Amino acid sequence: AQSVTQLDSHVSVSEGTPVLLRCNYSSSYSPSLFWYVQHPNKGLQLLLKYTSAATLVKGINGFEAEFKKSETSFHLTKPSAHMSDAAEYFCVVSDYNFNKFYFGSGTKLNVKP
Amino acid sequence: EPEVTQTPSHQVTQMGQEVILRCVPISNHLYFYWYRQILGQKVEFLVSFYNNEISEKSEIFDDQFSVERPDGSNFTLKIRSTKLEDSAMYFCASSERQGLENTEAFFGQGTRLTVV
Repeated sequence: AQSVTQLDSHVSVSEGTPVLLRCNYSSSYSPSLFWYVQHPNKGLQLLLKYTSAATLVKGINGFEAEFKKSETSFHLTKPSAHMSDAAEYFCVVSDYNFNKFYFGSGTKLNVKP
Repeated sequence: EPEVTQTPSHQVTQMGQEVILRCVPISNHLYFYWYRQILGQKVEFLVSFYNNEISEKSEIFDDQFSVERPDGSNFTLKIRSTKLEDSAMYFCASSERQGLENTEAFFGQGTRLTVV
């Protein structure tokens, strides 16, 4: 079965410093992976996706993620945090036929001025 | 930009009552999903739906739950007799999904269901 583990429930960074949100996955086949963001009282917005093309994936708002098969990781990064990045981030893996998506437990990102 | 819309945003219901949560998926999408998130817990899969039938469902999705696409635009989740433990945020999602392309799911803003 597929699963994702988000290693940090909370991450706090200062505005202008790099962001690293960690995600490890488990999959019995070549996975499709996604990062979603949820701002307070908002829905889940897709940041980026990996579907077996380029291993470095660029998303919206300056975020990117690198798929590393050897480490079974799909960490989300951003070079410089902005106050508006404060939200909860979910790493997601799909099953082989995209009938369901498995969510990580989420990482709450706090950005300090 | 097209989006998935859910109504109502918040629903309060008494235990044992039936509720219907409504969703309007993105218009050219063919795959539909319901997920829920109990406060403080993970987002959990409930059901996926394609071509007017359930593709897959989780163990949570028991006989108390049903889904329907009553017309060309709406996708509904019905809970027949609500329990306290059904209190959660319910997310609808849709996907265009053409083979291995456009496989990502687009989520609505959620309906917060509170069972009292």
